[in-house]
Amino acid sequence: GENVEQHPSTLSVQEGDSAVIKCTYSDSASNYFPWYKQELGKGPQLIIDIRSNVGEKKDQRIAVTLNKTAKHFSLHITETQPEDSAVYFCAARLGGGAQKLVFGQGTRLTINP
Amino acid sequence: DAGVTQSPTHLIKTRGQQVTLRCSPKSGHDTVSWYQQALGQGPQFIFQYYEEEERQRGNFPDRFSGHQFPNYSSELNVNALLLGDSALYLCASSWGDSSVAFFGQGTRLTVV
Repeated sequence: GENVEQHPSTLSVQEGDSAVIKCTYSDSASNYFPWYKQELGKGPQLIIDIRSNVGEKKDQRIAVTLNKTAKHFSLHITETQPEDSAVYFCAARLGGGAQKLVFGQGTRLTINP
Repeated sequence: DAGVTQSPTHLIKTRGQQVTLRCSPKSGHDTVSWYQQALGQGPQFIFQYYEEEERQRGNFPDRFSGHQFPNYSSELNVNALLLGDSALYLCASSWGDSSVAFFGQGTRLTVV
């Protein structure tokens, strides 16, 4: 069945450094890949997404890259700030009319001042 | 513009009881999906409602049921609660076949 693997499970970086979170998916028909940020006690917040016909997308300090051949996609956060500390989830939407998002297990990102 | 709103925010129920959770989608959205998020895990898809019909269902037992109203709001019902049903229940709304989904703050359900 469909599966999304996310690594690492925890990540600690110094303020100002970059952070990278990686995901792999199993279903080659997947066509949409969002990233969500979840702070304590809150629901997931969509921060960036990419579709299968695009290789890279950037929004200020956040970028996402997609390698369809390898079935990998990654989140890159540059110039990290304390407010970037949260749990980040990648997800994949299957193709073929499927509606559900399949989520990775999450990465707890801590930014050290 | 109000985002996705869920009620209640917290709920404690006894094993064997039934519970109803509610969701109002983001303005302009007509599709509601429900997810279960266990502690330390990613959200798991329960089902999705569109045009008042269940459009797709995840791997959850029939104890989990739902409904969508003409104003696009939705309810999630869980019968015969088990301790393992304790989780954060998330509602996400989207428009038609759009992939872009926005989540509410969730309902924290504790079964004792």
